[in-house]
Amino acid sequence: KAGVTQTPRYLIKTRGQQVTLSCSPISGHRSVSWYQQTPGQGLQFLFEYFSETQRNKGNFPGRFSGRQFSNSRSEMNVSTLELGDSALYLCASSFLAGDYNEQFFGPGTRLTVL
Amino acid sequence: AQSVAQPEDQVNVAEGNPLTVKCTYSVSGNPYLFWYVQYPNRGLQFLLKYITGDNLVKGSYGFEAEFNKSQTSFHLKKPSALVSDSALYFCAVRDKGTSNTGKLIFGQGTTLQVKP
Repeated sequence: KAGVTQTPRYLIKTRGQQVTLSCSPISGHRSVSWYQQTPGQGLQFLFEYFSETQRNKGNFPGRFSGRQFSNSRSEMNVSTLELGDSALYLCASSFLAGDYNEQFFGPGTRLTVL
Repeated sequence: AQSVAQPEDQVNVAEGNPLTVKCTYSVSGNPYLFWYVQYPNRGLQFLLKYITGDNLVKGSYGFEAEFNKSQTSFHLKKPSALVSDSALYFCAVRDKGTSNTGKLIFGQGTTLQVKP
């Protein structure tokens, strides 16, 4: 079974631009979560989707948004980019959204904001 | 609020020696605990989880973890370290504030360095 895939793997943007990141979960997985990883803040939860519905949202500004499609693929969007948005963005999928299910992570998208 | 702490930024061990990466947690109710490993320029790989049952959990690549409720700890262990185990290790707890949520709360990570 193919793992979680994320595209693109690397992105360079300038301040004020917007960016869209894509995530394809493991086949059959219906829950997709997004995390931001930075050296200073570590791994922080962005949002979670299950069956096209946002189930949970982290403490990020409204510039960060996401959605999930009927095939469980997910996108996240960051508008009006700031230097501090430079990070590794990780997508994770699990079969269900239940507490005991481990999440499987993709390789991440490395976003650099200049 | 749920939280996880990894008290050591880095752990150094010699190849062949046992290793321990420490994790303590603070949760309300019974915890759901996970360990992940991250190699450079890669995503996180699942190692093992504790949901309920035996306090000693066995996972991938020879790793195991010991759940200790009285000490609120979930330390990762391996009897004999390999140089290839060198990586960044994260302990995580499931946020149970909302039912059926997938949100994980991560510790800050511990860099494991195994020297030949």
